[in-house]
Amino acid sequence: IPMTQSPSSLSASVGDRVTITCRASQRINTYLNWYQQKPGKAPKLLIYAVSSLQSGVPSRFGGSASGTEFTLTISSLQPEDFAIYYCQQSYATPWTFGQGTKVEI
Amino acid sequence: QVQLMQSGGEVKKPGASVKVSCKASGYTFIKYGISWVRQAPGQGLEWVGWISTSSGDRNYEEKVQGRVTMTTDTSTSTAYLELRSLTSDDTAVYFCARAPGPTIFGDVRHLDNWGQGTLVTVSS
Repeated sequence: IPMTQSPSSLSASVGDRVTITCRASQRINTYLNWYQQKPGKAPKLLIYAVSSLQSGVPSRFGGSASGTEFTLTISSLQPEDFAIYYCQQSYATPWTFGQGTKVEI
Repeated sequence: QVQLMQSGGEVKKPGASVKVSCKASGYTFIKYGISWVRQAPGQGLEWVGWISTSSGDRNYEEKVQGRVTMTTDTSTSTAYLELRSLTSDDTAVYFCARAPGPTIFGDVRHLDNWGQGTLVTVSS
């Protein structure tokens, strides 16, 4: 199931509200997760099942859905949030990731 | 705390095989599965497959089907990824991650803890 993320990159400032969108090519119910990856590091789970916050993840991260369109929102961007964000569907195998959104200063 | 510790980087020639290990600690190994995800240099994430640590059930990505074998050793809480007939397209960082188990099709379907990654370089 192809996952299309947009934008592929964005520039933002500390304190900005940031929205990243991921569109599935077909219905995936609520099997949509978001990961954050910093350079040279493993991905980190932020949100699972569309909107459930992984333990230890700050509440400024949020997820939502409308049909096959899913959104990751960072309510107030912090310096440590500059990274690449990936969506991932786990409705059907093979599990697939979006191409990533790079959030830059 | 949950930890997944992977083996070190490998350099292989085209046509060779590689076996990457992932040792788990901090949780009951057989209660979860293990997924493998790879990332080619400068590219995005690609799911390689999943194995149930309790039943041995496997689910592989079609692109590597026939060349990949995932196994686990429950006595040492270690998962293994073996990839054969390597080509330059297999050059990537390979991550293991804690996955749902015993089935990949249950209510829980995310990768909540990851290893540090193992760089596999295929070059003549």
